[in-house]
Amino acid sequence: QLVLTQSPSTSASLGASVKLTCTLSSGHSTYAIAWHQQQPEKGPRYLMKLHSDGSHTKGDGIPDRFSGSSSGAERYLTISSLQSEDEADYYCQTWGTGMGVFGGGTKLTVL
Amino acid sequence: QVQLVQSGAEVKKPGASVKVSCKASGYTFTDYYMHWVRQAPGQGLEWMGWINPNSGGTNYAQKFQGRVTMTTDTSITTAYMELNRLKSDDTAVYYCARTFGAGVALDAFDIWGQGTVVTVSS
Repeated sequence: QLVLTQSPSTSASLGASVKLTCTLSSGHSTYAIAWHQQQPEKGPRYLMKLHSDGSHTKGDGIPDRFSGSSSGAERYLTISSLQSEDEADYYCQTWGTGMGVFGGGTKLTVL
Repeated sequence: QVQLVQSGAEVKKPGASVKVSCKASGYTFTDYYMHWVRQAPGQGLEWMGWINPNSGGTNYAQKFQGRVTMTTDTSITTAYMELNRLKSDDTAVYYCARTFGAGVALDAFDIWGQGTVVTVSS
């Protein structure tokens, strides 16, 4: 079964870097995913599509501070030089066997 | 620019139906599949299904089969999602989202609508 696992929450300081993780279920380690950001009281915003080799395609206007990488079944979103507006929920998304799948989301708090 | 604009908030009674629209602009509507996603209050994102605007073909999440119908009107580049036999736990924000790749049913969602709040309450 295709499942994405994310930590529920994390925090980091203003100006620091943070690395969020999305883990694909067993047998699905080659799958691509997408990262989406959802700021408080707003809809989701596409950040990037991330492949198993670490290559990624970012959405229009997404700052260079956002980058993606991969290792095995893990897909990462790194945000550097954290700003207050980066405080948001971050969801990973994948697809397969005819359906779409979301991770449970990670709530990022910027201290 | 490429955008999806959804219809306004709805309040429905249990057992009723709701139909949400999603107006696409800035791209060739029939080239990209459209998905629907919902988010209950304080919860995560839940995938509901997709429609191919070119053929009208659909695929729904098992949870919604028999209760959801997705359609499009290509003449006005608009997608619709109708949910029947509403229950209180259908209260959520409903989003339409376009796939990243042309002609690909399953892919990243690169364009999102602004969301439509549907409240189900007696």
